[in-house]
Amino acid sequence: DGGITQSPKYLFRKEGQNVTLSCEQNLNHDAMYWYRQDPGQGLRLIYYSQIVNDFQKGDIAEGYSVSREKKESFPLTVTSAQKNPTAFYLCASSGFLGGNTIYFGEGSWLTVV
Amino acid sequence: AQSVTQLDSHVSVSEGTPVLLRCNYSSSYSPSLFWYVQHPNKGLQLLLKYTSAATLVKGINGFEAEFKKSETSFHLTKPSAHMSDAAEYFCVVYGNKLVFGAGTILRVKS
Repeated sequence: DGGITQSPKYLFRKEGQNVTLSCEQNLNHDAMYWYRQDPGQGLRLIYYSQIVNDFQKGDIAEGYSVSREKKESFPLTVTSAQKNPTAFYLCASSGFLGGNTIYFGEGSWLTVV
Repeated sequence: AQSVTQLDSHVSVSEGTPVLLRCNYSSSYSPSLFWYVQHPNKGLQLLLKYTSAATLVKGINGFEAEFKKSETSFHLTKPSAHMSDAAEYFCVVYGNKLVFGAGTILRVKS
């Protein structure tokens, strides 16, 4: 079945450590996105990518990094520079940037301990 | 510029009664509009979308929404609430980029 797979679902990080969240899709979608979700704030865009080897900053990119070496993969690294990383992270993809339906993964919970 | 305002952060209804979740938007473009649902600790699932065809859009699980350009609204409705509808709902607008509303938590009482 086609879909988006995020891993891990739950992740704990010590302060000062970088962590990487995985996102894989087999929908043959060109565009991929990373969102952060905090209670009462909806979804905020971290990074997005329209094609392989290209990506753009979203609204809250500071403290995060991404890569897009393959069409099906868009990993997100939460760096130690991110001051408040504890959140629910959602990866998504669509056939082209916006306008078309966006499909979401199940999400990853990151907690800093 | 574009924005989305979900007018209620929480809505509570009794099972079997109608549901109304309100969404107003602004966009400099002819927007596409979406409603997504999120159950606890899950990703978002598409309920329905409007992309400049019929103004009354039918979605999954008995939900529908009406695009009203004059009122810049895209309210979500369902004639009869079910316990399984309890979740958080997001209104989303796309003009030149995606913008999410803050969400409305729907509670369904038995």
